Amino acid sequence: DGGITQSPKYLFRKEGQNVTLSCEQNLNHDAMYWYRQDPGQGLRLIYYSQIVNDFQKGDIAEGYSVSREKKESFPLTVTSAQKNPTAFYLCASSKGRGGYRSAFGAGTRLSVL
Amino acid sequence: DQQVKQNSPSLSVQEGRISILNCDYTNSMFDYFLWYKKYPAEGPTFLISISSIKDKNEDGRFTVFLNKSAKHLSLHIVPSQPGDSAVYFCAASGGGGGADGLTFGKGTHLIIQP
Repeated sequence: DGGITQSPKYLFRKEGQNVTLSCEQNLNHDAMYWYRQDPGQGLRLIYYSQIVNDFQKGDIAEGYSVSREKKESFPLTVTSAQKNPTAFYLCASSKGRGGYRSAFGAGTRLSVL
Repeated sequence: DQQVKQNSPSLSVQEGRISILNCDYTNSMFDYFLWYKKYPAEGPTFLISISSIKDKNEDGRFTVFLNKSAKHLSLHIVPSQPGDSAVYFCAASGGGGGADGLTFGKGTHLIIQP
């Protein structure tokens, strides 16, 4: 079955630590996205990538970094510069631009120790 | 500034009745609108979409209406079932500025009462 796999499901970060969230898709989608959800809030775009080896900042990119070395993979690193990292992180992919009919992974919940 | 607004944080509807979820937007460049359904601690699942060139799209119990002049869309669920209890997000695409991805509202928590 095609889909998007995010790992781990739960992640804990210590002060000053960088952590990386994994996102893999086997839908053969060109575009991939990272969103952040806070309680009572909608999803906000962190980074997106339309093709391999290219990515762009979204609305809240500060304190985050990404890479897109393979079409299937779009890992997100939450750096120590992100002062409020506790949130639910969602990875998505879509066939073309615009996020049309994006498919989402099950999410990673990141908490600070 | 929120470009997609869902002004009702929650909505309670009796089973079998119609559920109507509303969404307003401010960016006239949006050209595609989507509704997603989300359960706690899970990713959103796509429900239904509508292009800006249409005013209605129907899929089974779900119908989305778009009023471009009012910058308003709504999702109708008929009849409402217990499994419909979830958070519903309205999202829009094509907002211009060269950016990609979807712009989401804050969501409406739909509760179906037995």
